[in-house]
Amino acid sequence: KNQVEQSPQSLIILEGKNCTLQCNYTVSPFSNLRWYKQDTGRGPVSLTIMTFSENTKSNGRYTATLDADTKQSSLHITASQLSDSASYICVVSGPGNTPLVFGKGTRLSVIA
Amino acid sequence: GAGVSQSPRYKVAKRGQDVALRCDPISGHVSLFWYQQALGQGPEFLTYFQNEAQLDKSGLPSDRFFAERPEGSVSTLKIQRTQQEDSAVYLCASSPGVAGELFFGEGSRLTVL
Repeated sequence: KNQVEQSPQSLIILEGKNCTLQCNYTVSPFSNLRWYKQDTGRGPVSLTIMTFSENTKSNGRYTATLDADTKQSSLHITASQLSDSASYICVVSGPGNTPLVFGKGTRLSVIA
Repeated sequence: GAGVSQSPRYKVAKRGQDVALRCDPISGHVSLFWYQQALGQGPEFLTYFQNEAQLDKSGLPSDRFFAERPEGSVSTLKIQRTQQEDSAVYLCASSPGVAGELFFGEGSRLTVL
C-alpha cells in the first residue's frame, strides 16, 4: 500500500533555531515529492516540488532534500520565525493520474 | 479571484440533512480535486476531475457523497443524509495540468450535529 510517514508528529522550537522534519514514503513508482505548509484553518500552500532527479530544492529559509533510493525526504527550516508555526505536510505523487498520497503532517510550534 | 474559492467556509448541519459545498477553481485550471481532512490528519483524496470529466472517484467514502463539475469550471460536492463522521474540512484544489502544482482553497468546515 502506498504510504507517507512523517516524523515527528509535533515539534516545539525556540524562535531563531533550526529544525528538520522527516518524510518516508513507500509510493512506487514515484513521480514527485512535495512539501506543503498549512496554517491553522487555512488550505495547504506549496513550498517545494521535487522530481526523481532532484535531491535538493530551496525556497527561502526552507530547504527540502530527497533521496529516491532510500525513499526519504527532509524539510529543513533555518532561523525559524513565529510565523513558521504550522503543519508541514509531505505529499508524494505516482505517475499519471494516480491520486497524491498525503502524510499526516508535522505540527511545528515556534515559540518566543 | 486569483485563488481557489470555496463556500461556505463553515457549515453546521443536523444529522440527516443534505449539504452542498462549492469550489471555484483558478480560471483555466484543468484539474480539480476534492479532499477530506479530519482534525489533526492530512488531507484524504475524495475525487478528481479533468475538465468536466470525473476521472477518479475512488476516495468517496460512500454513495452519499456525490461531486460534479458540469461545465469544467465550478464544482460542487454534495453530501446526502449527513452523518457525524462526515464532520471534517473539505478542501478543493486546482491545477493547470495533470501533474502540476496544486493550489488549495481555504476549505469548507462541516460540522454535523
